[in-house]
Amino acid sequence: SSDLTQDPSVSVALGQTVTITCQGEGLKTYYASWYQQKAKQAPTLIIYGENRRPSGIPDRFSASLSGDTASLIITGIQAEDEADYFCFSRDISHSHLAFGGGTRLTVL
Amino acid sequence: QVQLQQWGAGLLKPSETLSLTCGVYGGPLQNYYWSWVRLSPAKGLEWIGEVSYYGSTLYNPSLRSRVLISIDLSKKQFSLRLSSVTAADTGVYFCSRDQRFSRGWYGDALDIWGQGTVVSVSS
Repeated sequence: SSDLTQDPSVSVALGQTVTITCQGEGLKTYYASWYQQKAKQAPTLIIYGENRRPSGIPDRFSASLSGDTASLIITGIQAEDEADYFCFSRDISHSHLAFGGGTRLTVL
Repeated sequence: QVQLQQWGAGLLKPSETLSLTCGVYGGPLQNYYWSWVRLSPAKGLEWIGEVSYYGSTLYNPSLRSRVLISIDLSKKQFSLRLSSVTAADTGVYFCSRDQRFSRGWYGDALDIWGQGTVVSVSS
């Protein structure tokens, strides 16, 4: 079992908004970072900290945190957003790092 | 612009040791943590472990007994060794730079990644 829990899949229509969640006790202390992963390519960091985007990441991507649940929000979904999304943070004991199980986003 | 380039053998037999190295180009190793991550269909992304620029390590508990991550500041490289591999270790292995934030707020960001190495374990 993962220290960070994500729904396995979500579907959204083109142009709509989707929220992907990540739940874990460690999130009460440590912010999650979020990654987009396509095929066998290296993951791409899209959000870190409270709601920070690396250079080049569109502002359609944002994040929020409530209690032990972090959320990645993608507005105005585009076809290119179809990918797997992973959260990353510390486990409940803060003794190691871990990824969530990942959420496969399908664009309808 | 910092880049990571990784290399190592990708075809292994069961019980052999996986050995990968990641070179850091265009930036310092100091003040960062350096991680190894793998991708597999069964587990998605899996954090393997990290080494700090001063040599301290932290490992995934599920792999701790088989993993060794080290760093060589003079060569600007860090390495992964995973012993006694099985088919379950098959996947794509990535090296990555971890920006760790610990002033005012806490969190990690794997902001730069190597190109990945496909590892296959088969007899």
